[in-house]
Amino acid sequence: RKEVEQDPGPFNVPEGATVAFNCTYSNSASQSFFWYRQDCRKEPKLLMSVYSSGNEDGRFTAQLNRASQYISLLIRDSKLSDSATYLCLGWKLSFGAGTTVTVRA
Amino acid sequence: NAGVTQTPKFQVLKTGQSMTLQCAQDMNHEYMSWYRQDPGMGLRLIHYSVGAGITDQGEVPNGYNVSRSTTEDFPLRLLSAAPSQTSVYFCASSSGLAGETQYFGPGTRLLVL
Repeated sequence: RKEVEQDPGPFNVPEGATVAFNCTYSNSASQSFFWYRQDCRKEPKLLMSVYSSGNEDGRFTAQLNRASQYISLLIRDSKLSDSATYLCLGWKLSFGAGTTVTVRA
Repeated sequence: NAGVTQTPKFQVLKTGQSMTLQCAQDMNHEYMSWYRQDPGMGLRLIHYSVGAGITDQGEVPNGYNVSRSTTEDFPLRLLSAAPSQTSVYFCASSSGLAGETQYFGPGTRLLVL
């Protein structure tokens, strides 16, 4: 079983909608998690870290649920520019396969 | 700072050929890693290094060799290319394995015929 697994989507949402998706992890000892954004097979770039207390950055909110062993990313008021693949990074350099989000006008 | 650089950007190989993908970083990071990305598979770790002279295998190491003679450079060698190694290869560096941001290079697109 992969260390980190994601719902691949795709999530196709209208502008202004809220979209949320999860990433599950298998190693309960995992301490640090991150969300990365990847555009059109370019290099992934850090979107935000995921803290135990949650993390919010503008329209983006990341949460960690240790009891159920998943992290989540919520995007509010979606913009066309949010269309991308979102990757979660977990324990020991393990990435999820990515969740594709497409925001339509 | 250039960050993480990779060369070449594109490469076409014939089955059985060998080549080296270059990766360099100028951030004085101890940790460097190589990933391959295939459609629907996300990023899979090939090899990683926790410092000069120290390397370890990741999830998909077969067919690849690495070495780390300096902090800055972490080349990936394909000894005998196979069509299954057609992929996009990303190199990354960070100041740690956990809790630190991974900085990625722009990638190398490899096609093995």
